[in-house]
Amino acid sequence: GAVVSQHPSWVICKSGTSVKIECRSLDFQATTMFWYRQFPKQSLMLMATSNEGSKATYEQGVEKDKFLINHASLTLSTLTVTSAHPEDSSFYICSAPKGSTDTQYFGPGTRLTVL
Amino acid sequence: QKEVEQDPGPLSVPEGAIVSLNCTYSNSAFQYFMWYRQYSRKGPELLMYTYSSGNKEDGRFTAQVDKSSKYISLFIRDSQPSDSATYLCAMRSNQAGTALIFGKGTTLSVSS
Repeated sequence: GAVVSQHPSWVICKSGTSVKIECRSLDFQATTMFWYRQFPKQSLMLMATSNEGSKATYEQGVEKDKFLINHASLTLSTLTVTSAHPEDSSFYICSAPKGSTDTQYFGPGTRLTVL
Repeated sequence: QKEVEQDPGPLSVPEGAIVSLNCTYSNSAFQYFMWYRQYSRKGPELLMYTYSSGNKEDGRFTAQVDKSSKYISLFIRDSQPSDSATYLCAMRSNQAGTALIFGKGTTLSVSS
């Protein structure tokens, strides 16, 4: 069964609004979670590393103020896309490492469409 | 040179064929290697996870790692139409909590 969940699975919003995406680890704790973005027919691009109890680490070129990450608990990380624009439309996927081998499991993804 | 190279394909094979998917990498710090399968509009699903050089088999899937050549492979035997998906190789260093580095993914189509 699924080990990482995401909500919502899809969302449509108007330009200028903010959208929050939740990522939850199921039945295990994750001090670190990762947020990826994927455009059609392209691979996953790491956006940021979410750290429980401290600030997220953003990859080069990713705007911290636009993509707000909050690792609220050991099982929940949220990504908020602020003042969304059509170019933010994409597939957002989170992952969490589990177990002694730190194997990463991915959520089902959230498809964001900004009109 | 990108850290991980993977031929995006597409790769089309008939049902029952043996499929070989490959990735090369340049960073010798990579120690953990994974293969994920991703169906359209879904999150990646972990297929195989390997650490040491050599082969690891799981059902119809065999993962192969050659650290000396910095080359990893995934073999799919008796391929099925349900195997049609994008296959992503991924790898990371020994350091806990580090993100995965992905290949571009190879799109596979298995026809019945």
